[in-house]
Amino acid sequence: GDSVTQMEGPVTLSEEAFLTINCTYTATGYPSLFWYVQYPGEGLQLLLKATKADDKGSNKGFEATYRKETTSFHLEKGSVQVSDSAVYFCALRQNTDKLIFGTGTRLQVFP
Amino acid sequence: ETGVTQSPTHLIKTRGQQVTLRCSSQSGHNTVSWYQQALGQGPQFIFQYYREEENGRGNFPPRFSGLQFPNYSSELNVNALELDDSALYLCASSPAQRTTDTQYFGPGTRLTVL
Repeated sequence: GDSVTQMEGPVTLSEEAFLTINCTYTATGYPSLFWYVQYPGEGLQLLLKATKADDKGSNKGFEATYRKETTSFHLEKGSVQVSDSAVYFCALRQNTDKLIFGTGTRLQVFP
Repeated sequence: ETGVTQSPTHLIKTRGQQVTLRCSSQSGHNTVSWYQQALGQGPQFIFQYYREEENGRGNFPPRFSGLQFPNYSSELNVNALELDDSALYLCASSPAQRTTDTQYFGPGTRLTVL
């Protein structure tokens, strides 16, 4: 079945470092891809999305490109801040009902 | 425009009891989905409602049931609670059922089963 695999965390970085969180997916069709962020004690917030191959989603300095040839949707940010510390979830939506999530990657940014 | 809201925020129940969680969808959204998020895991899809009908279901037993009302608010009911039902329950609404549509999440209800 469809699935999402994320790199394990925690990812620990100093402020202003470059961030990459890897995400790969398995799907039989052409899913839409999403990154959600979860701050401590809160629900999920949409960070960005891409709905077809080669689309780039971007928001708040974060970017991810939908790569069909490598079935990947890696999240990047050029300069992280302490306030970016959170858990990041990659997800796909193939059918009209459910989102399929990865297990999440915890990011810790230190000053 | 108000976002997705959920109530209560926290809930403690004992094994065997029944619980009802509530969700108010974002204005204009006719589709609501429910997810269970165990500690340290990604959310798992429970079911989705579209125009008051169940539209899809994940791998959860029948003691997990739901309702969607004409105003598109929704309930998740869980009967015969088990210890493993302890989790964060998230509701998400979307404007339609296209694969490209974003699902907008509420803050969740933290359920603890003792």
